[in-house]
Amino acid sequence: EVQLVQSGTEVKKVGESLKISCKGSGYTFTNSWIGWVRQMPGKGLEWMGLVNPVDSGTRYSPSFQGQVTMSADKSISTAYLQWTSLKASDTAIYYCARQTGGLWFDPWGQGTLVTVSS
Amino acid sequence: EIVMTQSPATLSVSPGERATLSCRASQSISSNLAWYQQKPGQAPRLLMYGASTRATGIPARFSGSGSGTEFTLTISSLQSEDFAFYYCQQYNNWPRNFGQGTKLEIK
Repeated sequence: EVQLVQSGTEVKKVGESLKISCKGSGYTFTNSWIGWVRQMPGKGLEWMGLVNPVDSGTRYSPSFQGQVTMSADKSISTAYLQWTSLKASDTAIYYCARQTGGLWFDPWGQGTLVTVSS
Repeated sequence: EIVMTQSPATLSVSPGERATLSCRASQSISSNLAWYQQKPGQAPRLLMYGASTRATGIPARFSGSGSGTEFTLTISSLQSEDFAFYYCQQYNNWPRNFGQGTKLEIK
């Protein structure tokens, strides 16, 4: 079974750094890009970008370029999303998802809730 | 960038009835459209890709149509488990934006 398992809930302060993870299993991790999607409280889905597990190459949405960094470690089949200085507006659920060969997302991770307070 | 607009924002339908959800792209995306279902407290799930191909395990009561800029997701006879949020996503251009979603609620 293809599965993505994300790291757990994070509670942080404004200005702190954070790195969340997404571990793939049940498939060859380097065969598919991993995408990240933000869902702010009570809101819809926002496409953040993609990371290539082969070389950590990335493609960001202009809305998120420079705000986050995506990376991957193929040796442990894990993708990452990180912030150097969190803002309160980063409070959201972050989902990772496998981009299939056809470019849609399937499956999705269970989501990581990030809460940033002042 | 392509803007995806879903309508209506909320759709109230009785169980057993038909639901029709719309998604419009600001420019042509051919058939490069996916639909996802999200239930409260859960991750989204792929329903449809290529505008009209059901994902593995998706019941036949779900159907998709359209190409270019106008797309439709139809649920032929609503079951209780179908009441959820639905999102369309284009994967023709960067960034691969989602629509703002339609909430399908019980009437």
